[in-house]
Amino acid sequence: AQSVTQLDSQVPVFEEAPVELRCNYSSSVSVYLFWYVQYPNQGLQLLLKYLSGSTLVKGINGFEAEFNKSQTSFHLRKPSVHISDTAEYFCAVSDRGSARQLTFGSGTQLTVLP
Amino acid sequence: EADIYQTPRYLVIGTGKKITLECSQTMGHDKMYWYQQDPGMELHLIHYSYGVNSTEKGDLSSESTVSRIRTEHFPLTLESARPSHTSQYLCASSVLTGSTEAFFGQGTRLTVV
Repeated sequence: AQSVTQLDSQVPVFEEAPVELRCNYSSSVSVYLFWYVQYPNQGLQLLLKYLSGSTLVKGINGFEAEFNKSQTSFHLRKPSVHISDTAEYFCAVSDRGSARQLTFGSGTQLTVLP
Repeated sequence: EADIYQTPRYLVIGTGKKITLECSQTMGHDKMYWYQQDPGMELHLIHYSYGVNSTEKGDLSSESTVSRIRTEHFPLTLESARPSHTSQYLCASSVLTGSTEAFFGQGTRLTVV
């Protein structure tokens, strides 16, 4: 079985400051990793994904994430946030080589303050 | 444009009514999913399907049922709605194998009064 832990349920940060949203996972097999963003009353939109290759993954809206296999982490970062980045962010994992569905973390509410 | 659609976006309905939440995708994906999400909470998988005539229950037990008669269509039905069913329901789809990246609809926010 696989699981995802998002260590911070809420992260307030001032505009133009850097931010890191933390995600740790557990799985007995190799995994694919994803970050999704959810704006109020909307579905989920894919920010970025790690499938293989370079451990630093760049996504949309200036976000990036780094896969750390030894620490089983996939933290999301942005060097300078905007008010429009205020949203809920979900980390997700799925097993490689199978048709298993995504397992999501509990989400982190990022609030960017003026 | 390939996409995934959910209707209605918002539904307020009385206790005991039968409801069907619609989900359709135009991406030709084999896998489809239903997630339940309470406000500010994580997503819980309640149903998924590998293709036509395939339906499976997810990690979270649900009184809802689903059907998959056509590849592009994956409706969710509640035979008798109760206030405990009040939640947001998100539909998603993905290819059958590989990265399993899921594409989500905008959700249906259901309120049972």
